[in-house]
Amino acid sequence: QKEVEQNSGPLSVPEGAIASLNCTYSDRGSQSFFWYRQYSGKSPELIMFIYSNGDKEDGRFTAQLNKASQYVSLLIRDSQPSDSATYLCAVTGGTSYGKLTFGQGTILTVHP
Amino acid sequence: KAGVTQTPRYLIKTRGQQVTLSCSPISGHRSVSWYQQTPGQGLQFLFEYFSETQRNKGNFPGRFSGRQFSNSRSEMNVSTLELGDSALYLCASSPRVQDTEAFFGQGTRLTVV
Repeated sequence: QKEVEQNSGPLSVPEGAIASLNCTYSDRGSQSFFWYRQYSGKSPELIMFIYSNGDKEDGRFTAQLNKASQYVSLLIRDSQPSDSATYLCAVTGGTSYGKLTFGQGTILTVHP
Repeated sequence: KAGVTQTPRYLIKTRGQQVTLSCSPISGHRSVSWYQQTPGQGLQFLFEYFSETQRNKGNFPGRFSGRQFSNSRSEMNVSTLELGDSALYLCASSPRVQDTEAFFGQGTRLTVV
C-alpha cells in the first residue's frame, strides 16, 4: 500500500463546475496535510494546508480533513481553465520528521 | 520577500561526473529539504536540514549528499552520476521546526548523458 494515494486521473470538469480531488494516507501519526498545484514544467506551488479535522476555506478552495478515515480532500469551486494542472497531496508528521510524503498527483483539466 | 532560489536552473552532465546544486531559502526559514521529481517515481524526499543538521534522510544511495551552512543556504551533491539521476531537483524551505508548510524553488533540471 502506498503511503499517500490520490484518486486516479485525469479528471476533467467543465468551466464553472466543482472539481473534487481526494487523497488517503496510511500513517495514522500524520499531523499536517498540504495541497500543491504544479503546472507543466513548473515547481509545486502551495495552495492549501490543514492541520485539524474539518473544513478550511480559502477563496474558491476548500480543504477537508478526516483523520479517523485518514482522508483529505480538496474542492475547487467555480473551476477555471487556469486551474488546469497537476494537484499533489502531501502529508507530514508522525515519524516523517521534516519530510513531506507526496501522492502521485491528479491531473485536472478544466475545459471551457 | 524573495522566494526560494535554486541555481543553476539547468545542467547537463556526463555519466560519472559529479554535480553540486545550490539552494537559498526564504529569509528567516531555517529548514531546507530536497526532493527529486521524475515522471516515473513522482516527488521523492532526499534529505532535510535544520540549523546545519541533517534531521531526516530518504532512501537514496550514498552518492547523494547535502549540507547546510550557517546562513541556512544549502547544497546537495551527487557523485558518480548515472543516467537515472536525470530529474528535476527541488529545494523547499519551511519557517518552523516541524510539520510546517514548505515552499518550493523553481528547481534544477539535471540531464545526465
